[in-house]
Amino acid sequence: DVKVTQSSRYLVKRTGEKVFLECVQDMDHENMFWYRQDPGLGLRLIYFSYDVKMKEKGDIPEGYSVSREKKERFSLILESASTNQTSMYLCASSLDNSGAAYEQYFGPGTRLTVT
Amino acid sequence: QQPVQSPQAVILREGEDAVINCSSSKALYSVHWYRQKHGEAPVFLMILLKGGEQKGHEKISASFNEKKQQSSLYLTASQLSYSGTYFCGTETMDSSYKLIFGSGTRLLVRP
Repeated sequence: DVKVTQSSRYLVKRTGEKVFLECVQDMDHENMFWYRQDPGLGLRLIYFSYDVKMKEKGDIPEGYSVSREKKERFSLILESASTNQTSMYLCASSLDNSGAAYEQYFGPGTRLTVT
Repeated sequence: QQPVQSPQAVILREGEDAVINCSSSKALYSVHWYRQKHGEAPVFLMILLKGGEQKGHEKISASFNEKKQQSSLYLTASQLSYSGTYFCGTETMDSSYKLIFGSGTRLLVRP
């Protein structure tokens, strides 16, 4: 089974802190994604990566950056955390974007609270 | 750009049927459906591709009307295990790799 793991289930940080959220997948997937999930808004894409060292902005990239130095690991960075970044963060991966292989596998999520 | 899902919420008795709709303002290449149970990660249900190919599992079906840019998810003879939030994710003709998800439809199946 594909496994996507995230470094923390719960995280509490102070305003202005630099925050790292880590995601690791164990199935040699090409694509990796970071979403945030807020009530009533569904899943919104922050950034995604289709290859090592490659990244593309999603719909809400402001205030975030990402890093993908190795194929299995995709990090989300909040350079200076703010209270409006309090949310559930979900990482996902997919093999490629051709047909059945495109399904995304999600990690358990990190609930980040910024105080 | 976010697809519109309807209804926002639905409550069923076990054994009843439900339809969840997903509508986009853009031309679609594919539509994906996911279910998220409370406190868990979203899980893939089904993908519908432009041209009619459909892949999925479980006793849940879906349709994809390319002209209307709409998809519908059909849950027949619902089971308690169907409870959760259903999300559609749309891939448009001008966006590779990424999905735009709707805001979700909450489904509760009662005994």
